[in-house]
Amino acid sequence: DAGVIQSPRHEVTEMGQEVTLRCKPISGHDYLFWYRQTMMRGLELLIYFNNNVPIDDSGMPEDRFSAKMPNASFSTLKIQPSEPRDSAVYFCASSLAYGGDTGELFFGEGSRLTVL
Amino acid sequence: EDKVVQSPLSLVVHEGDTVTLNCSYEVTNFRSLLWYKQEKKAPTFLFMLTSSGIEKKSGRLSSILDKKELSSILNITATQTGDSAIYLCAVVTNTGNQFYFGTGTSLTVIP
Repeated sequence: DAGVIQSPRHEVTEMGQEVTLRCKPISGHDYLFWYRQTMMRGLELLIYFNNNVPIDDSGMPEDRFSAKMPNASFSTLKIQPSEPRDSAVYFCASSLAYGGDTGELFFGEGSRLTVL
Repeated sequence: EDKVVQSPLSLVVHEGDTVTLNCSYEVTNFRSLLWYKQEKKAPTFLFMLTSSGIEKKSGRLSSILDKKELSSILNITATQTGDSAIYLCAVVTNTGNQFYFGTGTSLTVIP
């Protein structure tokens, strides 16, 4: 398996523009997570899905952020309009229930977003 | 509110030193505690701990969980420059498959 795949790896955009980040989880994993990582706040959980259904979106900072999972192999995180304070690395991760036998959460390589 | 706290926030040591990283947690319905290493890219999995007092070991790294003290430590002996990274602790709960991460400990090993 290729692991969790995210795109784009880097995105530089101007304030006010729409940003869409994409994620393909590991096949067979029924949980998908979106995290944001900054120096100040570390890894913050934004939202997670179970079997394509959003379970907890309490970490989504505001209405400018939205996430969808139309099928088991694809999810998007959208920011509209983007602001400089959204600059961060956004990680997508997937897992089996409770991490399966190893307990592991598998991360993608991250999407580094810079909003000017 | 569930939370995971790591200490120290950052650490600089010389090659060959031994370091101990701490993770404490306050969560409802604890299931397991995970340690990850993050270099330039995505966090990579190190250990999962579920039972108190049982040491997990991998080479120069070892970790143990104390469920009475709600904490875990990660030890690295004979540190090398390749150990320089952010070490993340995460706690998994039995409710909702949540993975709660601490802010991490940034370790720098200088030659």
